[in-house]
Amino acid sequence: DSGVTQTPKHLITATGQRVTLRCSPRSGDLSVYWYQQSLDQGLQFLIQYYNGEERAKGNILERFSAQQFPDLHSELNLSSLELGDSALYFCASSVGNENTGELFFGEGSRLTVL
Amino acid sequence: AQKVTQAQTEISVVEKEDVTLDCVYETRDTTYYLFWYKQPPSGELVFLIRRNSFDEQNEISGRYSWNFQKSTSSFNFTITASQVVDSAVYFCALRGFYNQGGKLIFGQGTELSVKP
Repeated sequence: DSGVTQTPKHLITATGQRVTLRCSPRSGDLSVYWYQQSLDQGLQFLIQYYNGEERAKGNILERFSAQQFPDLHSELNLSSLELGDSALYFCASSVGNENTGELFFGEGSRLTVL
Repeated sequence: AQKVTQAQTEISVVEKEDVTLDCVYETRDTTYYLFWYKQPPSGELVFLIRRNSFDEQNEISGRYSWNFQKSTSSFNFTITASQVVDSAVYFCALRGFYNQGGKLIFGQGTELSVKP
């Protein structure tokens, strides 16, 4: 158990819909990262937040947005969903911002868009 | 640009065989960190090892060992006497040190299948 909690574990929805994925980092971790894992793209970095502020941005679509709240949990919002958005979405956390430590990953939220 | 290449997409071995997973990376940073993660069939990503660019000592942890060679930009992972429970997808990852945030850049992964 990494200590990172993601909900929901599975989600099935239709094209055009909007979903929210939630992540609670490990106790004491200030950074939260979102990754998308799909068969064709592999593990792609989406976005990082550090103590409530956006820190780094990767290949995140404009239809996607995220935020980190004062209690440090984070939400990833996916809107106008397309079939190609079906993927496993991971949240990870780490203690600092540009530290040397490893990222601890949650179990992922598997999104299926029909 | 930073990049991690795991040229082996799939490897299949028989239990008790040794197996090496290759990882080659590209970065312009002089300080960087390399990682290996394991993704078993259950789906979670499990941290295995972190290595910084100034430490080229090989590391051994039980049946696992890692060979870091800066001269060839490689960070290979060897499993000795493989077991069925080692079956998983293994990812090599890179983190640059400057202005990168803390994100990891992952390779495409190597799927290891250990047959009894």
